[in-house]
Amino acid sequence: AQTVTQSQPEMSVQEAETVTLSCTYDTSENNYYLFWYKQPPSRQMILVIRQEAYKQQNATENRFSVNFQKAAKSFSLKISDSQLGDTAMYFCAFMKPGSGTYKYIFGTGTRLKVLA
Amino acid sequence: ETGVTQTPRHLVMGMTNKKSLKCEQHLGHNAMYWYKQSAKKPLELMFVYSLEERVENNSVPSRFSPECPNSSHLFLHLHTLQPEDSALYLCASSRDTSSGRISTDTQYFGPGTRLTVL
Repeated sequence: AQTVTQSQPEMSVQEAETVTLSCTYDTSENNYYLFWYKQPPSRQMILVIRQEAYKQQNATENRFSVNFQKAAKSFSLKISDSQLGDTAMYFCAFMKPGSGTYKYIFGTGTRLKVLA
Repeated sequence: ETGVTQTPRHLVMGMTNKKSLKCEQHLGHNAMYWYKQSAKKPLELMFVYSLEERVENNSVPSRFSPECPNSSHLFLHLHTLQPEDSALYLCASSRDTSSGRISTDTQYFGPGTRLTVL
């Protein structure tokens, strides 16, 4: 069975600094997708970044980038130049497509606080 | 706003009540999802609909009954719930590009309904 582990329940970072959130997963699948979602306090969950497992190149979205290590089953999120608006819960998620075998599994989340 | 709305935003109900949660998406998507978010636990995928057909049901108790009358609306009917069912219920939608095989496209989440069962 697939599992997603986020080992850091809470983290804090100074504004303008860089922070890395860790995520590991366990699967025997070869075709899957990985996501980082952000859930600000009392606001809707939104996608931060996604990575296709078949792509070796790490995904980037502006200040957000991932370090995808497929063999190690690691998918960490790096936030550069942290901003106060980055304060949120961050969830790592694993998705395996396919009808009847579809899986979308989330980690328990990391609460990130950006300090002024 | 992500284009996915949920009503009500808050709901308190007794164990013998019957209520429904509503989700509506304005994004032209054709796949919709129900999740349960409990404190200290990962989000749990409950149901998946693609092209208005239920394609996944992750061992959810029968006291939760989903309904998808069209591609823009998704309901979760609740009856005889238990206190442990108290949680944030999130709806999401996505574009299914795989003809019912469940898309790999990004999911867009609603704000959730905070449910409390007394």
